[in-house]
Amino acid sequence: QVQLQESGPRLVMPSETLSLTCTVSGASISSSYWSWIRQSPGKAPEWIGYISDSGSPYYSASLKSRVTISADTSKNQLSLTLTSVTTADTAFYYCAKDRWTFELWGPGTLVTVSS
Amino acid sequence: DIVMTQSPESLAVSLGERATINCKSSQTVLSISNYKNYMGWYQKKPGQPPKLLFYWASTRISGVPDRFSGSGSGTNFTLTISSLQAEDVAVYYCQQFYGYPLSFGPGTRVEIK
Repeated sequence: QVQLQESGPRLVMPSETLSLTCTVSGASISSSYWSWIRQSPGKAPEWIGYISDSGSPYYSASLKSRVTISADTSKNQLSLTLTSVTTADTAFYYCAKDRWTFELWGPGTLVTVSS
Repeated sequence: DIVMTQSPESLAVSLGERATINCKSSQTVLSISNYKNYMGWYQKKPGQPPKLLFYWASTRISGVPDRFSGSGSGTNFTLTISSLQAEDVAVYYCQQFYGYPLSFGPGTRVEIK
């Protein structure tokens, strides 16, 4: 079955760049849309953006100036980069399959922004 | 952007009793082209990603117990748990997918009374 797994640094310094990878197994990333979603403790999930099956990204306007989503088809991986982070970017970060509703998620990774 | 609100923020229900969660969108999420409501519901437990329960407002995901039901149209939606079980303790979120950015409600915490 299809599985997703996020990975990357758990601690990022303020003003630095957050970089995460989502490894997809059981399906080709070229076969679907894939999204990134985050959830800060005690808050609602926040949709960050998606990348299409053809590799075209689409971002939330609120994060668009700082976020990049890309795909590496050779590794079957998605990536998320978020620049100039602040403590407000501390959250669980999830990758998920599809672009509308999300039935399949990775387990998530907690990224803390702190000096 | 479509803003989602939910009520109540939390509720405590006795085992076997009904729990009702309301969700309201700032604009309609009903498409006149296919007459579908672009609304989903999720259950979130600590340490787990959100679990999709419903899409199109009332289409239950396979494996979701039938004590859960989704209803509503336009801007007003409801998630009902007809007979609360201990394993239903969680935070529940609605999410619209009518337009980007996708947005979630602030959540409703369900606890056992």
